[in-house]
Amino acid sequence: KAGVTQTPRYLIKTRGQQVTLSCSPISGHRSVSWYQQTPGQGLQFLFEYFSETQRNKGNFPGRFSGRQFSNSRSEMNVSTLELGDSALYLCASSWGTGETGELFFGEGSRLTVL
Amino acid sequence: DQQVKQNSPSLSVQEGRISILNCDYTNSMFDYFLWYKKYPAEGPTFLISISSIKDKNEDGRFTVFLNKSAKHLSLHIVPSQPGDSAVYFCAAKGWGAQKLVFGQGTRLTINP
Repeated sequence: KAGVTQTPRYLIKTRGQQVTLSCSPISGHRSVSWYQQTPGQGLQFLFEYFSETQRNKGNFPGRFSGRQFSNSRSEMNVSTLELGDSALYLCASSWGTGETGELFFGEGSRLTVL
Repeated sequence: DQQVKQNSPSLSVQEGRISILNCDYTNSMFDYFLWYKKYPAEGPTFLISISSIKDKNEDGRFTVFLNKSAKHLSLHIVPSQPGDSAVYFCAAKGWGAQKLVFGQGTRLTINP
């Protein structure tokens, strides 16, 4: 069974640019969540999608957005990049029932903003 | 407002001994707690969880203890092995929620 796949794995952008990250969940999983990991901050919740609808959103500015497609694949976009956006962006998938909270994470997309 | 806190950024333990990782939380509405392990260049992987109606859950070498009155949970690893060296994240969720609230992580190093 294939795991959660994130692309690209690494990317470098400059301030002011925008970036799109992609996530393919485990087959059958309908919920996709995105987290930002920075040193000392742990994992910060960005948003969660279920059946193409955003169910939850974290405390991030409007520059961070996402969407989910009918095949459950998801993308997140960050516009007008800032130096502080440099981080590991992790995608996680689950069945979406919310009972146990067990998420299956991808390897992440490491974004560096120069 | 850090609702889930791991106050020890790092922990070093000798192989074969017990590793104890601690986590504190502030939100009494959390009903499920999880531990994830993360190796470098990999995503976090689920390790063990506990419901708020229990005070202990065991899975092989891993045991999680929950003290609701103190809003504290801990992960015990016995015996510790070199392959356990990783960053451990504590996480919590509310009933029916998909969102996990994570702690900052504790880097565990097992010394041979």
